[in-house]
Amino acid sequence: DTGVSQDPRHKITKRGQNVTFRCDPISEHNRLYWYRQTLGQGPEFLTYFQNEAQLEKSRLLSDRFSAERPKGSFSTLEIQRTEQGDSAMYLCASSSRQGAEANEKLFFGSGTQLSVL
Amino acid sequence: GQNIDQPTEMTATEGAIVQINCTYQTSGFNGLFWYQQHAGEAPTFLSYNVLDGLEEKGRFSSFLSRSKGYSYLLLKELQMKDSASYLCAVRLSPLYGGATNKLIFGTGTLLAVQP
Repeated sequence: DTGVSQDPRHKITKRGQNVTFRCDPISEHNRLYWYRQTLGQGPEFLTYFQNEAQLEKSRLLSDRFSAERPKGSFSTLEIQRTEQGDSAMYLCASSSRQGAEANEKLFFGSGTQLSVL
Repeated sequence: GQNIDQPTEMTATEGAIVQINCTYQTSGFNGLFWYQQHAGEAPTFLSYNVLDGLEEKGRFSSFLSRSKGYSYLLLKELQMKDSASYLCAVRLSPLYGGATNKLIFGTGTLLAVQP
């Protein structure tokens, strides 16, 4: 297992276009997170899946954003009608509870860098 | 609201020791994590604290005081490869945080190690 994989690594798009990103978590992990990170900032939570169920969405996630995890394995994040303010690194992370929940670690992918022109 | 503060930038010399501080004010607390992030790469886990005290892991140590809302990451015998951003993150308790494993991150401290 090579860890969390994200595709593509980089995406350049024009304002108004739709984009979709994919995340493949570590295979035995049932929890999957999407975060967004802009330059000089820490990651900001977007949404969380436990298996195929989307259990939480941040207020940062406008109606133009949608995420799915149809079979409880890989996940997709779609942004419709992209805006320049959507330019950021989109990070996916996965985890699996082993023992005490307090020390459960998130494992991050390398992210998809989105540039909206 | 949730607030996590850490210095924006720090500079240190190769072979030296550096301490990166983090203070937090959150509604609910269920652990504090430190991640390292090199430019353009994924954050990687360094350490976590859920109880007060010092956790040591090789050249890295992390300290937590829950009553003070304070943590620090100590890096010893600095190497050039330690130049990176260091992210402090708090896990919120389920009662306040919603998703049980959600981490709230600080803005990160960019550490530059000089020869």
